[in-house]
Amino acid sequence: AQRVTQPEKLLSVFKGAPVELKCNYSYSGSPELFWYVQYSRQRLQLLLRHISRESIKGFTADLNKGETSFHLKKPFAQEEDSAMYYCALSPGAGSYQLTFGKGTKLSVIP
Amino acid sequence: DAGVIQSPRHEVTEMGQEVTLRCKPISGHNSLFWYRQTMMRGLELLIYFNNNVPIDDSGMPEDRFSAKMPNASFSTLKIQPSEPRDSAVYFCASSPLKRPNVLTFGAGSRLTVL
Repeated sequence: AQRVTQPEKLLSVFKGAPVELKCNYSYSGSPELFWYVQYSRQRLQLLLRHISRESIKGFTADLNKGETSFHLKKPFAQEEDSAMYYCALSPGAGSYQLTFGKGTKLSVIP
Repeated sequence: DAGVIQSPRHEVTEMGQEVTLRCKPISGHNSLFWYRQTMMRGLELLIYFNNNVPIDDSGMPEDRFSAKMPNASFSTLKIQPSEPRDSAVYFCASSPLKRPNVLTFGAGSRLTVL
């Protein structure tokens, strides 16, 4: 069975500081990894997928299969980045299954 | 498209009452999901429909929970009878055929059972 671990429930950083939200997973195959974000009073929405290899709102995430990690990073945090961030794993592109971590609340201090 | 639409947004009820949550997925999406979110357990998949057919209901907690999808544009999640431990936010999500694991979520229904 797959498992996603986000070790930090809460992460506080100052505006302009680098951000790294940690995500570790356990799965024996070749998973697809995602980051979802939920801003205050908004719905949960997809932030990025590892297979897209894109940067969204300045965030990037690299899949490290050796360390089974998919950490989310941004070089300079902005106040509008404050939100709940969820890492999620799917067994593969054609699978409907999506296992979520418990989320990390990012608070950017002005 | 208005996205995934859920109703009600908030529901407060008393233990033992029936609760019905509703969802309208994005037009053209053929997968629909119901998730439950609690502080203790995070986001849990309750049930997954594909082309209106329930494919995976292994996450449905017990017989008090039931879900239907009578057509491609409507689904319900029913709890009867409700209990205080059912208090949670219930999310509906849908996804397209080619990307079943790329979900678009609704705003959620916050249920409080007294």
